Amino acid sequence: GQSLEQPSEVTAVEGAIVQINCTYQTSGFYGLSWYQQHDGGAPTFLSYNALDGLEETGRFSSFLSRSDSYGYLLLQELQMKDSASYFCAVRGGGADGLTFGKGTHLIIQP
Amino acid sequence: DSGVTQTPKHLITATGQRVTLRCSPRSGDLSVYWYQQSLDQGLQFLIQYYNGEERAKGNILERFSAQQFPDLHSELNLSSLELGDSALYFCASTGGPNTGELFFGEGSRLTVL
Repeated sequence: GQSLEQPSEVTAVEGAIVQINCTYQTSGFYGLSWYQQHDGGAPTFLSYNALDGLEETGRFSSFLSRSDSYGYLLLQELQMKDSASYFCAVRGGGADGLTFGKGTHLIIQP
Repeated sequence: DSGVTQTPKHLITATGQRVTLRCSPRSGDLSVYWYQQSLDQGLQFLIQYYNGEERAKGNILERFSAQQFPDLHSELNLSSLELGDSALYFCASTGGPNTGELFFGEGSRLTVL
């Protein structure tokens, strides 16, 4: 099976930088994804890391270390609209599908 | 708009009943996933289909079943419904079988009374 751990809640200030960590356990590994979900909305894809290193997409960056089974999502220049839940998800080997963590609720204060 | 269409958007039914949720994937996508999200919970993977065949299975209850049809739309059937089945059910689609980028529909909110 697969399991992921991420903090349940993170608080940050508008304009600041925040990092959301994710550790995972899986048999086999294809990659680590990140999704954003606003209350009552559909999850939307943010990034995918299949190889070690940093991927940058605008204000969002995602990092992966396969040897440490660890990744993080970095959000810069935080805006109030970034208040949402953020999920990491891992695709492992076998027939386990794409497994999501329980999500990190990001609270942004003015 | 992700291009994934789910119907119905809302459904209220009674315990013991059976419902069917429908998903139309993005044009050209062969892979369909179903997820369940209960209040303040994460996304629980139920099942994945790829081009009509079951590809992966999560913690899907025996009371639940799904299928993907030749036109690639998918249906999730929930039977003998219990109060605890009340949740938001998401369908997602993608082109390949192993990619990490899924496109989610807006979900079907099921309320069991």
